[in-house]
This record gives sequence, structure tokens and C-alpha cells, in this order.
Amino acid sequence: SQTIHQWPATLVQPVGSPLSLECTVEGTSNPNLYWYRQAAGRGLQLLFYSVGIGQISSEVPQNLSASRPQDRQFILSSKKLLLSDSGFYLCAWSRGEGTEAFFGQGTRLTVV
Amino acid sequence: GESVGLHLPTLSVQEGDNSIINCAYSNSASDYFIWYKQESGKGPQFIIDIRSNMDKRQGQRVTVLLNKTVKHLSLQIAATQPGDSAVYFCAENILGDYKLSFGAGTTVTVRA
Repeated sequence: SQTIHQWPATLVQPVGSPLSLECTVEGTSNPNLYWYRQAAGRGLQLLFYSVGIGQISSEVPQNLSASRPQDRQFILSSKKLLLSDSGFYLCAWSRGEGTEAFFGQGTRLTVV
Repeated sequence: GESVGLHLPTLSVQEGDNSIINCAYSNSASDYFIWYKQESGKGPQFIIDIRSNMDKRQGQRVTVLLNKTVKHLSLQIAATQPGDSAVYFCAENILGDYKLSFGAGTTVTVRA
């Protein structure tokens, strides 16, 4: 069966520090991968998605970047965090268009 | 479409009653729809999906209805239980697109 791992679960980082969140998927190959952000009490905003190694599409201009160094690994990064980067970050995968996405357990990021 | 900046609407339901959660979508090209359940501090979980060639689909205690004429989607939960308390999101996908766009979400609270 397929599983998705996302870590860490919580993170407190100072303003201006770098960020690296990692997500890996097991049990499937060539998944579509996604990073979403969710502000407290809000909906899910798509940040990045990837349909293959090295292929990244950005949905919104921001202080973050994403990379996919391996087929089942998706990384969310920032060189210098802002207070506004605080939120709940969710990684997800799907088999392709027109299929459901499966979510990780999320990372609660607080920038102080 | 996405409503990531809006506060989530709420629904309070008596235990044992049926719940109806509504979602409006704006893109007539959307052809695949999903309902997710998100418990506090966790990632969204898949509940049920429906494609645009269907009007209704049933699962265990849940039914999704799709009205393409008015671009409306609903989730019905039968005999609501305390464990159904969560935030419920609808998501839509357009044929040929890899992205899932999420609605604003509805917070459901079950009263004992």
C-alpha cells in the first residue's frame, strides 16, 4: 500500500532562518506531488506541484521554493523565512489528473 | 474555485441527525470532485468522489450529489456521530489539469 511521510510535525523557526521540509511517498512510482499551505481557520492554498523529477510548477509568487530530487521525494525550502510564512504545510500525492490526492499529516510551522 | 482567504462557515448538528454540507464551484470545465474530512492538526482524508457524468454517489453513511446546472456539490452524512466533527472541504479538478482546487471548507460540530 502507498504511504506518505512528512516531517517534522512541528517547527518553530526565527525570522530570517532557512527552511527545509521533506516529504516522501512509498509504494508507488511517478506520483504527482503537491505542497499546500493552510493558514489557521482557512482553506488549502496550492503552492507547488510536480509531475516528475525536476519538474516544478509554482502557483503563487512567494518566499518559498520546491524541489524534486528523486521520484518520490518533494522538498519545500526557503532561504529566509518571513513571519507570514507561518502556517500548516501539507504534502500530497496523486496518481494523475482526475484522481484523488492523498495527504501527509502536515507540518505546523511557526515563524517567530 | 479557491477561497483560501475566507473564514470557514460552520454547521452545528445534533447527534443522530443528518448533515448536509454544501459547496459551490465556479468552473464549468471541472469534471471531477472530491470531499475531504480534516480533523484538527491532521491532513485531509478522502471521503468520497464523483465525476461529472454522475449526479449521485453513495458510500458508507455518505452521499455526494452533483448539480452541474447550478455548479453545486453537496455531501450528506447520515446519522451524524461525534466522530464526524471536523472541517469538510470540497475539491475540484479540471480534465487535463493536475491540480486540485479546494473550496473554503465547512466546520461541522456534532452536539451530543
